[in-house]
Parts: sequence; C-alpha cells; structure tokens
Amino acid sequence: GESVGLHLPTLSVQEGDNSIINCAYSNSASDYFIWYKQESGKGPQFIIDIRSNMDKRQGQRVTVLLNKTVKHLSLQIAATQPGDSAVYFCAENMKLTFGTGTRLTIIP
Amino acid sequence: DTGVSQNPRHKITKRGQNVTFRCDPISEHNRLYWYRQTLGQGPEFLTYFQNEAQLEKSRLLSDRFSAERPKGSFSTLEIQRTEQGDSAMYLCASSLGGGVGSYNEQFFGPGTRLTVL
Repeated sequence: GESVGLHLPTLSVQEGDNSIINCAYSNSASDYFIWYKQESGKGPQFIIDIRSNMDKRQGQRVTVLLNKTVKHLSLQIAATQPGDSAVYFCAENMKLTFGTGTRLTIIP
Repeated sequence: DTGVSQNPRHKITKRGQNVTFRCDPISEHNRLYWYRQTLGQGPEFLTYFQNEAQLEKSRLLSDRFSAERPKGSFSTLEIQRTEQGDSAMYLCASSLGGGVGSYNEQFFGPGTRLTVL
C-alpha cells in the first residue's frame, strides 16, 4: 500500500545554517507532493508543493527536490531561523498520506 | 490564520456521549477534508467532500462517525457513543479542486482537540 516515510524523526540545526529534511514514498503513481509545517497546538501549514513533472521548485528560503527514480523528496530550508522549529511532514496526492514527521529544532 | 475555522477548539466528553464538530472552509473552496491526528503521528485522512457530495470515506471512519456538508459550505463531523480511542485532534482542510486528478494545496484549520474520559 501507499506509505510516506521520513528518514529521521528529529533534526537539530544551528541557527543560520541550512537544513535538509528527507522523505521517501512508495507509490510510483503519486503525482503531487506537498510539504507542511506544524507547530505545537496548530494545524499543518502549507510550505511548498511540487508536481511529478518537475524536479525542483523554489519558494522563499525553501526548495523542494523530487527524485522520481528513487522515490525521494527533500525539503531544504536556507538560513534557518528560530521560527522554523516545528514538525515537518511530507504528503502525497489529494488524500494527503502523511508520514510521522521530522521534528526540526533550531539551536540559537 | 489560513481562513479555515473549526469549532470548538477543545472538547472534553465522557465515554458514550455524542460530539459534533464544525468546520468552516475558505469560502470559495469546493473541497473539504477531515483528518484525525494522534500524538506523535501525521494526520490520517478520514473523508472528503466536493461541494455537498461526500466522495470518499476511509476505513478509519467507523459507523459511529458521520460527516455532512449540507449546502456545500460548512461541514460537521459527528462521533456517536465516543470511546477513549477517539481522543485525537480532528483537523479540517479545504482546497480549490478542479476535475478528477486535479490537486491543489489544502489549507488546514487549527483543529478540534477531543478528549474522551
């Protein structure tokens, strides 16, 4: 069945450094992927999405890379700030199959 | 604030009672989704509507759960005869959907945290 997983449950990064969060998916037919950020007590907040006809998409301080060959997705956050501390989820397709998330902690 | 609102934000109830949650999506969004999230896990899809039609329900949605979107705007999720295992955050999301296979980003509300004693 479908599964979306994350390689690391936690990640600590020094403020100002770049961070990379990885995600693997199993459904080769998936054609839409999305990253969400969730702070404690809040609903997931949209960060960036990418469709399967693209390999890379950039937003403000964030870049998503999609490697369909190995079914891998990554989120790069540049120049991390304390406000980036949260749990990050990747999800796929319309029904948004989520993984368990990666907790990103920014060290001042 | 994404523009999706949910009420109540918190609900504490005793086992066996019925509860109802409400979601008001972004006004022009025709798709509305319900998810459940337990501690330490990602959200799990429960069901979704396109306008007033409920198009899909997850196997997670037992017979005690029912969702409606009568006028294609707000939606309600009712849980009958609540059990302790129903304790979770119930999230609503909305999106602007096109035809089959057309996806757009979903905007989530703040959720309703249910505690069943």
